[in-house]
Amino acid sequence: DGGITQSPKYLFRKEGQNVTLSCEQNLNHDAMYWYRQDPGQGLRLIYYSQIVNDFQKGDIAEGYSVSREKKESFPLTVTSAQKNPTAFYLCASSISGGASDTQYFGPGTRLTVL
Amino acid sequence: AQSVTQLDSHVSVSEGTPVLLRCNYSSSYSPSLFWYVQHPNKGLQLLLKYTSAATLVKGINGFEAEFKKSETSFHLTKPSAHMSDAAEYFCVVSAQSNDYKLSFGAGTTVTVRA
Repeated sequence: DGGITQSPKYLFRKEGQNVTLSCEQNLNHDAMYWYRQDPGQGLRLIYYSQIVNDFQKGDIAEGYSVSREKKESFPLTVTSAQKNPTAFYLCASSISGGASDTQYFGPGTRLTVL
Repeated sequence: AQSVTQLDSHVSVSEGTPVLLRCNYSSSYSPSLFWYVQHPNKGLQLLLKYTSAATLVKGINGFEAEFKKSETSFHLTKPSAHMSDAAEYFCVVSAQSNDYKLSFGAGTTVTVRA
């Protein structure tokens, strides 16, 4: 069964902690993305990667970091520098990152700061 | 630059009646346009996409959308709403000048009354 998995589904963070969100895909896609979703807003791009060992900042990268050591994995770390991290985080992938490529989304991780 | 405006933040329809979700876009280049649906606490699922082929695009679950270049619109319709259509819908634009970037509308929440 091909698709994108994200874990955990729910995550709670204390002030000053770094947390890592997992994203794995078995679609053999080259490009992967991280988005943040806040209530009443569309998705905003945090980071994206079009190939292994390379990634680029999106519109709201401050306070986040990523790695892309394997084609199928693109973990996102929310650092303590992110002042308002409570949000729904969505990972996506596409075949090559082209403008007309469909992006396929995972089920999301809801992060709450305690 | 590219952007998307979803003209209605909330649409309420009765089961069995038509659904219309309005979307206007702006793009400096030939756009690709998408409609995604999101059920509560879930990831986004592609309904349909336009990539410069036929202007009337048919998607899943009986949805369709028409690309109108002169009006810069890409409205989503369904002839007969079902209770399972209650969800949030996002109009998304991608421009060929920019490989990675999708621009999301703020979303339209659809409520279906029995």
